[in-house]
Amino acid sequence: GNSVTQMEGPVTLSEEAFLTINCTYTATGYPSLFWYVQYPGEGLQLLLKATKADDKGSNKGFEATYRKETTSFHLEKGSVQVSDSAVYFCALSGGNTPLVFGKGTRLSVIA
Amino acid sequence: EAGVVQSPRYKIIEKKQPVAFWCNPISGHNTLYWYLQNLGQGPELLIRYENEEAVDDSQLPKDRFSAERLKGVDSTLKIQPAELGDSAVYLCASSLGTVTDTQYFGPGTRLTVL
Repeated sequence: GNSVTQMEGPVTLSEEAFLTINCTYTATGYPSLFWYVQYPGEGLQLLLKATKADDKGSNKGFEATYRKETTSFHLEKGSVQVSDSAVYFCALSGGNTPLVFGKGTRLSVIA
Repeated sequence: EAGVVQSPRYKIIEKKQPVAFWCNPISGHNTLYWYLQNLGQGPELLIRYENEEAVDDSQLPKDRFSAERLKGVDSTLKIQPAELGDSAVYLCASSLGTVTDTQYFGPGTRLTVL
């Protein structure tokens, strides 16, 4: 079945550092890939998505590229801010199957 | 535009008691989802509705969990009786139509069973 594996946290970075959160997936066919973010006390929000190979999703300075050859969708940001502190979830959906989430990676950014 | 609304936000009950959660999706969204999120884990689907029909309830523990979406709009998820292991966050999400449409999540209900 479909599954998502993302790097375990927590990840602690200084402000303006470069961020990478790794995500790999297993799926049949051609899934859509997502990154969701959960800020403290809030619900999950869609951060970005990509629906086909080589697509790049981007939002709020975050980027992720759908790499079919490596079955990956790594999240990157060039310069993180304290306000980026949150839990980040990689997810996929494919065919008639709804979202399957990874376990989440907690990011803490310190000033 | 209002987002997905859930209530209550927090609930504390004794084990073996019943509990119910309510969700109102974004207006016009035909598909509604209930997810369970355990601490330190990603959300896991419990049930998916398309309009008033439950099209995927394979992960819903039907011995104690039930759900309804009678008029194809808001939905209720019930647990009876609750067990200690049911302590978690229950998330509701909605989307326009198919499973590949973007899902929008509510803030969740945090359940604590004592």
